[in-house]
Amino acid sequence: DADVTQTPRNRITKTGKRIMLECSQTKGHDRMYWYRQDPGLGLRLIYYSFDVKDINKGEISDGYSVSRQAQAKFSLSLESAIPNQTALYFCATSDRTGRLETQYFGPGTRLLVL
Amino acid sequence: QKEVEQDPGPLSVPEGAIVSLNCTYSNSAFQYFMWYRQYSRKGPELLMYTYSSGNKEDGRFTAQVDKSSKYISLFIRDSQPSDSATYLCAMSGGSNYKLTFGKGTLLTVNP
Repeated sequence: DADVTQTPRNRITKTGKRIMLECSQTKGHDRMYWYRQDPGLGLRLIYYSFDVKDINKGEISDGYSVSRQAQAKFSLSLESAIPNQTALYFCATSDRTGRLETQYFGPGTRLLVL
Repeated sequence: QKEVEQDPGPLSVPEGAIVSLNCTYSNSAFQYFMWYRQYSRKGPELLMYTYSSGNKEDGRFTAQVDKSSKYISLFIRDSQPSDSATYLCAMSGGSNYKLTFGKGTLLTVNP
């Protein structure tokens, strides 16, 4: 079974709709991240959480919100989807060994906003 | 200036070629330097990492870091079609050690 799972894997929605992307992990990591990936722009950090009570904005948090329901679950919401939020979204968890942070990515959610 | 710069390519080489992938960076606090590989329709996965300056070899892959020039490289020897993927450099350092990613280079190895 995959260590980091994302649901749904693909989603088509309309402008103005609220949608939630979910991420679950069985790796036992405290740190979790949401990224979006766009052609030519690479991975951009939306939100990150170092533990259940610690949630931080990334470089492109406008239009997004998150919820850390448990150590293993981190959800990303688009309150009112717009077409430029069409992208590939990745959840990641991380394991810090000393100062080295290794991130483990889920399979991604492909989102299309019409 | 962005913290991490990476040529997006695309890069197309014949099977067996030596491939060189590179990133430059501006933040002198970076201490860990990583390469992630991302196959089409998959999430990135860690390929290898290097701490501070120097070289690290793992099979056909060699990672190099030159901190004086703020330049890192990944070399792939005897490239194979299965190496076709996007390669992302990533770096960390400073107070919280979050990763900063390059935009990725798309590599195609042709049989």
